Amino acid sequence: QQPVQSPQAVILREGEDAVINCSSSKALYSVHWYRQKHGEAPVFLMILLKGGEQKGHEKISASFNEKKQQSSLYLTASQLSYSGTYFCGTDLTSYGKLTFGQGTILTVHP
Amino acid sequence: NAGVTQTPKFQVLKTGQSMTLQCAQDMNHEYMSWYRQDPGMGLRLIHYSVGAGITDQGEVPNGYNVSRSTTEDFPLRLLSAAPSQTSVYFCASSYLTLGLSKTGELFFGEGSRLTVL
Repeated sequence: QQPVQSPQAVILREGEDAVINCSSSKALYSVHWYRQKHGEAPVFLMILLKGGEQKGHEKISASFNEKKQQSSLYLTASQLSYSGTYFCGTDLTSYGKLTFGQGTILTVHP
Repeated sequence: NAGVTQTPKFQVLKTGQSMTLQCAQDMNHEYMSWYRQDPGMGLRLIHYSVGAGITDQGEVPNGYNVSRSTTEDFPLRLLSAAPSQTSVYFCASSYLTLGLSKTGELFFGEGSRLTVL
């Protein structure tokens, strides 16, 4: 069952912040986050394991609320290069059988 | 390092034809998978494998077959192509560290764009 991402689209000016949410109706083992530029393959951002671990990557960080089966991706001081579609992938197992959300389109304007 | 290599990058088929999308990785990853991507649908898992000789179905397996005879290769076969199979297909691989209870990041190929007329 696909996780649900919100919002579906975000438009920002450079320097603004954004939060992308990912929710699942089932207990999760881990959550992955990926970014995809138009016409390219998805690129890995980070993995969060159950236990509420928070990880960071450049000015992008994420959290995982195990009780709510939710993960949030935080993008701070956005840059033009952050534009793309962000996907969360949820894993009910321990071996990366990921089910992806429908994606959140992030557009950063100068 | 080549990473994950998919061929062909583009293919046009007629309804009813069969074909195989090739995927090879040189990272000695145990885990390999196939996704299809359609507008507004995200990435949907077709089939996956946790090692040579072991495959399993994902979310949308109908109309597709896979096999894993070696660690490196994971071909996806379309048995009788239908217009509904028009999509972009991505192969992805990952390491597995079950003993440490850790999942690996997925490394994606560049994608194969398939059109079925």
